[in-house]
Amino acid sequence: KQEVTQIPAALSVPEGENLVLNCSFTDSAIYNLQWFRQDPGKGLTSLLLIQSSQREQTSGRLNASLDKSSGRSTLYIAASQPGDSATYLCAVKAAGNKLTFGGGTRVLVKP
Amino acid sequence: DGGITQSPKYLFRKEGQNVTLSCEQNLNHDAMYWYRQDPGQGLRLIYYSQIVNDFQKGDIAEGYSVSREKKESFPLTVTSAQKNPTAFYLCASSPTGTGIETQYFGPGTRLLVL
Repeated sequence: KQEVTQIPAALSVPEGENLVLNCSFTDSAIYNLQWFRQDPGKGLTSLLLIQSSQREQTSGRLNASLDKSSGRSTLYIAASQPGDSATYLCAVKAAGNKLTFGGGTRVLVKP
Repeated sequence: DGGITQSPKYLFRKEGQNVTLSCEQNLNHDAMYWYRQDPGQGLRLIYYSQIVNDFQKGDIAEGYSVSREKKESFPLTVTSAQKNPTAFYLCASSPTGTGIETQYFGPGTRLLVL
C-alpha cells in the first residue's frame, strides 16, 4: 500500500529565505506526483505536476524535483514571501488512478 | 466562470441524522471525487466516479453513500453509520480520471456534529 510522508509537519522562516519541503513515498510505481497549496479552511490549488518520466518542473519561484528510485520529491520556493504562508501537500498517483496524499507541511513566512 | 462549487460551507449534524453535501462542476469533467480531511492530516479518498451512473469505493467508504445521476453533480451523503463525521470534506473533478491529468478541487464543506 502506497504511503506518503511529509517532513517537517511545520516550518517557520523569515521572509526572503528559501523554503525546502520534502515528500517521500514508499512505492516507486507512480504515474505522477503533484504539489498542492491549501490556505486555511479552503480547497486545494495545484502548484506543480511532475510526470514519472520527468526529473523536475518549474513555475516562477517554485521548483519541484522527483527521484522515483529513492521515492523522494522536493519542493523549493525561492525568496519566500508572507503570502507563501499556507499548507503544502504532495500527492502521488499510482495504479487505480487514485491520489495518495501526504499529511502536509504547514509553512509560516514571517515578515 | 468554470469551476467546482460545494455547499453548504458549514453543515451541522445531529446524532442519528443523515446529511447530504452538494458538489457541482461546470468543467465538463467525467471524473469526480470525494475526500475527507481531518485536522493536520492529508486527504483520504471516500468515493470516486469516472462516469455517470458508476462509482467506486475509496479507502474510507464506510458510513458514506454517493450517487452520480448527472455528469455535473456528485452528492455525498454522510449516514448515521458514520460515527465520527466531523471533518472537512473536499470534492474534486478531473477530465477523464485516467493517466496524467490533475484534479481540480472545490472550496470544501466543514461538517460538525451537534
